[in-house]
Amino acid sequence: QVQLVESGGGLVKPGGSLRLSCAASGFTFSDYYMSWIRQAPGKGLEWVSYISSSGSTIYYADSVKGRFTISRDNAKNSLYLQMNSLRAEDTAVYYCARSQLYSSSWWDYWGQGTLVTVSS
Amino acid sequence: DIQMTQSPSSLSASVGDRVTITCQASQDISNYLNWYQQKPGKAPKLLIYDASNLETGVPSRFSGSGSGTDFTFTISSLQPEDIATYYCQQYDNLRLTFGGGTKVEIK
Repeated sequence: QVQLVESGGGLVKPGGSLRLSCAASGFTFSDYYMSWIRQAPGKGLEWVSYISSSGSTIYYADSVKGRFTISRDNAKNSLYLQMNSLRAEDTAVYYCARSQLYSSSWWDYWGQGTLVTVSS
Repeated sequence: DIQMTQSPSSLSASVGDRVTITCQASQDISNYLNWYQQKPGKAPKLLIYDASNLETGVPSRFSGSGSGTDFTFTISSLQPEDIATYYCQQYDNLRLTFGGGTKVEIK
């Protein structure tokens, strides 16, 4: 069955960096667009970034553009999010989610999330 | 970015009631609209895609309709297990956005 398992969250100081990982299994990872979506404590959902199946197409939300970098390693069935210059407002649960074969339209499988806390 | 306005932000209804949530887009998004359910402490779950298509395995009491800028999500007969927050999400452009969410509670 499809499984997405995030890791790498934790407590980091403002201005610091963190790298999230998402291990995928149960499907042909290299065929699918993938996304990161976050949710601040007690708040709604916010799409962060998506990457095409080959990694050639990438988009970011304006709130993270220039600070976050999404990447993937299809040989390792893994998705990554490098987060730099972190701010308090980046504090959230970060979800890895699977999109479709040829686009990022909706997400049919989600990980359990990993909590990132930015605080001094 | 396309803004998604969801209403109400919360509602309370009795078991068996018909529940309706609306989502309005700030510009025409055709039928590029999806609905998710999120229970406390859990990841969201896809219920409806392309405005009206029921995801596999989702109970038929859930439905969606609309196109352009105005969309509706309906639970035909509210069940205790439907207590959750529901979100709409558009994918008309390359920057995907969610509505603010509707928290559904049992009266």
